[in-house]
Amino acid sequence: AQTVTQSQPEMSVQEAETVTLSCTYDTSESDYYLFWYKQPPSRQMILVIRQEAYKQQNATENRFSVNFQKAAKSFSLKISDSQLGDAAMYFCAYLNRDDKIIFGKGTRLHILP
Amino acid sequence: DAGVIQSPRHEVTEMGQEVTLRCKPISGHNSLFWYRQTMMRGLELLIYFNNNVPIDDSGMPEDRFSAKMPNASFSTLKIQPSEPRDSAVYFCASSLPVEGPETFFGQGTRLTVV
Repeated sequence: AQTVTQSQPEMSVQEAETVTLSCTYDTSESDYYLFWYKQPPSRQMILVIRQEAYKQQNATENRFSVNFQKAAKSFSLKISDSQLGDAAMYFCAYLNRDDKIIFGKGTRLHILP
Repeated sequence: DAGVIQSPRHEVTEMGQEVTLRCKPISGHNSLFWYRQTMMRGLELLIYFNNNVPIDDSGMPEDRFSAKMPNASFSTLKIQPSEPRDSAVYFCASSLPVEGPETFFGQGTRLTVV
């Protein structure tokens, strides 16, 4: 069965610095998607970035980028130039071709002014 | 603990029928969330309960959707009448904020309305 593990329940970073949130997953499938979602206090879920497993190039969205290591089954999120508005819960998620999606338990990110 | 338990895992129903999705949160958790996942819109928060009380239901799409939490160990999401556009995977999640920030998701209910 697929699993998603976020080993850091909470992290803190100084404003303007860079932080990396880790995510590992376990699957026997070769074709799937990986996501990072941001959950602000409203509890709404905002898609931050998406990676397709067959693409070797790491996805990037402005200050957000991922380090996708398929062989190691690792999918970390790097946030550059951290801003106060980045403070939130971040969820890593795995989606297979059958639309089965599994979430990690989340990492709470604090931004220190 | 067995984690957040959702039932059924799969539901196929005809348009116009009533559908009820069920969720059992992790024992002791006092926050419960219902989300809907589609490829088009991603993960949408439908409703959030705290201590069995609905705190925010602004994400409930329309009056056809209703959610209840009669006690701390059970919640339902009902769609009446169902429509094909309601087809999605519905997730329930729970947390206990005083213990930590982690949120635990159920395995989801895949709803298909034909």
